[in-house]
Amino acid sequence: DTGVSQDPRHKITKRGQNVTFRCDPISEHNRLYWYRQTLGQGPEFLTYFQNEAQLEKSRLLSDRFSAERPKGSFSTLEIQRTEQGDSAMYLCASSPWTELNTEAFFGQGTRLTVV
Amino acid sequence: GENVEQHPSTLSVQEGDSAVIKCTYSDSASNYFPWYKQELGKRPQLIIDIRSNVGEKKDQRIAVTLNKTAKHFSLHITETQPEDSAVYFCAASTLGGFKTIFGAGTRLFVKA
Repeated sequence: DTGVSQDPRHKITKRGQNVTFRCDPISEHNRLYWYRQTLGQGPEFLTYFQNEAQLEKSRLLSDRFSAERPKGSFSTLEIQRTEQGDSAMYLCASSPWTELNTEAFFGQGTRLTVV
Repeated sequence: GENVEQHPSTLSVQEGDSAVIKCTYSDSASNYFPWYKQELGKRPQLIIDIRSNVGEKKDQRIAVTLNKTAKHFSLHITETQPEDSAVYFCAASTLGGFKTIFGAGTRLFVKA
């Protein structure tokens, strides 16, 4: 599968623990996005990278959340001191850089359950 | 802030009938409107998109219309088939596409 891949697919953690997710975008894609999706809702924007630069971060993203894309390829999303409200599907997406907006290709997501 | 509202939340149609899903957006700077289909347990996938310089776009059984003045856009699926059953999300983004705002989704059931 040469699409966007995310690891792990599922993560169960105890409240208060830290978790880290990884996203590998499609290789030629400069843009990378993280979204969060809860049951019955659409994907909710968290943050955006163009190459290694984090250009936008949602106000919804508390200080417990941090994302990196150190070499402009894969990205990690870390959640510190997890809370039950963090339970959700975390989706990564990528798209090529173009002047116009274009399709975002989503990964399968990482389902986080905080117990 | 930016917002996309989507209706209905659930839609049930008979196979062969048409289905229409409607969305409104709040940010007048929005200029790109993709529609994604998400089957159970799978990733969202683009089915059609439209840019603000176009009023309508069609791809086989799927069409999207855009009314910029009213800030409305709609998805039309004709001759529905059971495999069209899924959750459909509308979305809106501005030039640059940094942030795409999604609607809450419409769960479409196509009864055979």
